[in-house]
Parts: sequence; structure tokens; C-alpha cells
Amino acid sequence: DAKTTQPTSMDCAEGRAANLPCNHSTISGNEYVYWYRQIHSQGPQYIIHGLKNNETNEMASLIITEDRKSSTLILPHATLRDTAVYYCIVEYPEGNLIFGKGTKLSVKP
Amino acid sequence: EPEVTQTPSHQVTQMGQEVILRCVPISNHLYFYWYRQILGQKVEFLVSFYNNEISEKSEIFDDQFSVERPDGSNFTLKIRSTKLEDSAMYFCASLIGGSQETQYFGPGTRLLVL
Repeated sequence: DAKTTQPTSMDCAEGRAANLPCNHSTISGNEYVYWYRQIHSQGPQYIIHGLKNNETNEMASLIITEDRKSSTLILPHATLRDTAVYYCIVEYPEGNLIFGKGTKLSVKP
Repeated sequence: EPEVTQTPSHQVTQMGQEVILRCVPISNHLYFYWYRQILGQKVEFLVSFYNNEISEKSEIFDDQFSVERPDGSNFTLKIRSTKLEDSAMYFCASLIGGSQETQYFGPGTRLLVL
């Protein structure tokens, strides 16, 4: 079973920041937090990952709480093309990814 | 930018037939994976492969399934005798290896068993 808990769905207005929360209270010390998304039935697309520190790349920012029991994925300026299912996954590098149901993000004009 | 490719994009087969799904991982990657997603359901791990052998497999990956890296570039998933319930999207993924790396997925093969 997935080690994370995410809201089933969220809406976001186009151009606004989308903040997607994830709880992972049983995360162990060496496990990373990974975020992927899936648009329709396409292959999961890697977004970002982190261990302890906050991370930022060209797609998103990842904020991990100090106790590492939760995190937030931030899409700074959501577009219609960001409509997708977003998965938060806790795993070791090289481990097998266990996907939950994720959060269905709908970006609306 | 390098990417994982998969062929065919779609495959229709009769129940009981053998199918081979092909993947070309990113060239310098060392770890390879197969996942599947039945329509409307979660993405499920099938098998991982490293150093020319299976590292781990799920309960789904029974004797009907096998994987192979025949020529150093392709990574294949064979289903020996397909069942109706094997109908799904099959995704290949690869990872370079080492810490702080992540899996990159291919576009998938949609398999329909009739």
C-alpha cells in the first residue's frame, strides 16, 4: 500500500499557484519524497523530489516540513496543461514506486 | 532530451496468445522497471531489473510473465498466455542508479486482450 495520503481532488484557477499537500507520517530517514503526475493515460511524468531540504526546479517547488511527515508541491503559475493526477510517493532511490490514487488537479480558466 | 521509448503503442491480441512488449530505456541507465495500469485503476509495480537479473517482483508478476534485456538496449516484457485481465497500459521505466536519481517513464503500450 502507498505510504502517503493525498486529497482526492483539488481545483485551481489558471495563473494562480497550486498547492498540493501530502502526508507521509511513517517516512523513514533515508526515504525520499517524489512527485509525479499523469496526464490522461500517459506515462507518469517526474516532477521533483527531495529528502530534507526544500527543492525547486523549472516545473515546481517542493516544501518538506522539518519533521518530514508532510510536504507540499507548489506549481507557481498553474496552466490548463497542468490538469492531471499528481502522485506523492515515498521511496528509496532505485526502489519500486508504489502509486496511490493521487490528487486530481483541475486547473480552470 | 533522452527519453524512454516503448513499442508498440497499442496491441490487440487474442486470449491465450503470447505478447512481447518492448522498451528502449535511456542509454546510460542501469535499473529497469515494468508497471501496469488497468483502466481507471492505480499504477502497479510489476518487476525491477538490474545487472541482468530480476531485483524484485510483485505478486502480479507470476509465471506467465518474463523480462529480458536481450541486446543491451532493449528491455522486454513477455506475457506467455494472455488473459482478459491482462488488458492494461504497460509502462516501462528506467533509472540511472546512485542516490538522488529518479525513474523516468515511457509513454506506455496499451494492451487489449480479446
